[in-house]
Amino acid sequence: GQQLNQSPQSMFIQEGEDVSMNCTSSSIFNTWLWYKQEPGEGPVLLIALYKAGELTSNGRLTAQFGITRKDSFLNISASIPSDVGIYFCAGQLFDAGNMLTFGGGTRLMVKP
Amino acid sequence: KAGVTQTPRYLIKTRGQQVTLSCSPISGHRSVSWYQQTPGQGLQFLFEYFSETQRNKGNFPGRFSGRQFSNSRSEMNVSTLELGDSALYLCASSILPGQGARTEAFFGQGTRLTVV
Repeated sequence: GQQLNQSPQSMFIQEGEDVSMNCTSSSIFNTWLWYKQEPGEGPVLLIALYKAGELTSNGRLTAQFGITRKDSFLNISASIPSDVGIYFCAGQLFDAGNMLTFGGGTRLMVKP
Repeated sequence: KAGVTQTPRYLIKTRGQQVTLSCSPISGHRSVSWYQQTPGQGLQFLFEYFSETQRNKGNFPGRFSGRQFSNSRSEMNVSTLELGDSALYLCASSILPGQGARTEAFFGQGTRLTVV
């Protein structure tokens, strides 16, 4: 089963609002990845984080690798309708190859 | 640059049958991983292949198997299908296994398997 706790499970926001979601784990991860999945598609990589404390942006998206290496958050600023989808966090354990452990996802809905 | 290609996109099988799914990674990527996605269990790791060798395996029964060819293409096989095997099967490719940017996983669109 999943080892990452992702919250919130869903969000229904107004266009233009900022969004924040996070993932926590009981395990220490070496890498945190954030993905977005739209209906009928595979997850698309948004941001990758490699070092504790790292803060990385990709356009209106910003993600941080927690200092304890057990958590990460993703912020989306000034949301737009095309941000709709399911956002997943994924962690990679040390010496686990490319095996990713996924959070349960945050379903984002944006009202124009 | 072409992305990860999975075939077929959709598949309907009967209980007890077996199925083979195919994945062609991004050109130059040598690591291929497979995941099962269901509404109840989310995204779960099946196995990872690199240089034609299975490097990691998730907690799935032996009915689930895979292989990788010398050109890095991969197949996964599910034998004696059960209703609970209905899921979206996703393949992800990375340049290399390990840590750092070269391990970033890029997913295909998936194969939607329905077992009836």
